[in-house]
Amino acid sequence: GAVVSQHPSWVICKSGTSVKIECRSLDFQATTMFWYRQFPKQSLMLMATSNEGSKATYEQGVEKDKFLINHASLTLSTLTVTSAHPEDSSFYICSARLAEYNEQFFGPGTRLTVL
Amino acid sequence: GQNIDQPTEMTATEGAIVQINCTYQTSGFNGLFWYQQHAGEAPTFLSYNVLDGLEEKGRFSSFLSRSKGYSYLLLKELQMKDSASYLCAVTDSNYQLIWGAGTKLIIKP
Repeated sequence: GAVVSQHPSWVICKSGTSVKIECRSLDFQATTMFWYRQFPKQSLMLMATSNEGSKATYEQGVEKDKFLINHASLTLSTLTVTSAHPEDSSFYICSARLAEYNEQFFGPGTRLTVL
Repeated sequence: GQNIDQPTEMTATEGAIVQINCTYQTSGFNGLFWYQQHAGEAPTFLSYNVLDGLEEKGRFSSFLSRSKGYSYLLLKELQMKDSASYLCAVTDSNYQLIWGAGTKLIIKP
């Protein structure tokens, strides 16, 4: 089956620093990758959609200058949380999709804690 | 607006059957997904329905009625490991996934 990896699986950082999270589709080429954020006991919240080679499309209320997304290849997308603050602490999950009609395959998630 | 409704929480007994309902109102429809999510983990794919009817996959079945904007996930022979959140998601006309808030299923011995 399709496998999506995320790295790191968890990270603790100081307020004001930047954190980069990688999302890779290991055995397929993903035309589209998605970044979600999930707070405790809440459902997934889509942050942005990224297509390889083009700029990401951000959801309303998500600051594109704070959450930088790069989708440099068909198997790799990165999310950089810039100048992280404690309120950015959350579970960040990426997913990848081969085509529009396919299901999304999720990475294992990255738990970010900002002190 | 686009909306997906599912119960917040359900409780069932080990070995029993439980049905989790999902109703949706979206701009177009290109399929409905059910995902399972254990606490602290990412969602895992369970089923996909795009045509009306019942799709059976082992202990899990998913039903869709497009005319009613309705789906359910049926779990049989419940096991303790089935305790999780179950997320209903619909793909709209732009192939965007619209997520429900999830149903927390609690299995009791």
